[in-house]
Amino acid sequence: GAGVSQTPSNKVTEKGKYVELRCDPISGHTALYWYRQSLGQGPEFLIYFQGTGAADDSGLPNDRFFAVRPEGSVSTLKIQRTERGDSAVYLCASSLTGLAGGQAEQFFGPGTRLTVL
Amino acid sequence: GENVEQHPSTLSVQEGDSAVIKCTYSDSASNYFPWYKQELGKRPQLIIDIRSNVGEKKDQRIAVTLNKTAKHFSLHITETQPEDSAVYFCAASIEGGSEKLVFGKGMKLTVNP
Repeated sequence: GAGVSQTPSNKVTEKGKYVELRCDPISGHTALYWYRQSLGQGPEFLIYFQGTGAADDSGLPNDRFFAVRPEGSVSTLKIQRTERGDSAVYLCASSLTGLAGGQAEQFFGPGTRLTVL
Repeated sequence: GENVEQHPSTLSVQEGDSAVIKCTYSDSASNYFPWYKQELGKRPQLIIDIRSNVGEKKDQRIAVTLNKTAKHFSLHITETQPEDSAVYFCAASIEGGSEKLVFGKGMKLTVNP
């Protein structure tokens, strides 16, 4: 079956604008994660969904960042009033059950490269 | 919170040599340790993982060892090939806890033919 997909692959925006990044997880995966990866760094956790609910949003840097997963499948990461420091690759991952369910492997999408000018 | 350190940051070996990547973690509650390989411009892909109830795990040319007392774990790649060239990330997480993976900064491995 298809892997995790993300759209758009690239997004260039101006400082202060609003952006939405979309993630389509593997079908049937209940756990969904968002990470952010800056150049030369490892992925940095942002938020974790189990089903429709955000179980852990401790990685969101501030209240300009918000994510939803209304039907327990597709997720959207929303960034308001973008800043140049938000530029990074935003990665989405999904897992069949998450760690607690015993199927821990996180499958990553190709990422969305966000550039804020 | 958890902190994962990874050493070295770069490693260059000749084809056929072995490569070892070492990571340390800070939270003794961490019990799940995956390793990801990321080729340039591509997504991270899981290559092997280990849980804290196991000290060593092997999969063909790849092995991972875990020392819970010292809070460090290592990736061993034997008989390296040019296609092993990539950035390798270690990570730690708490099964039954927050679920998030905390990654190291990565190690760029170059295998010279």
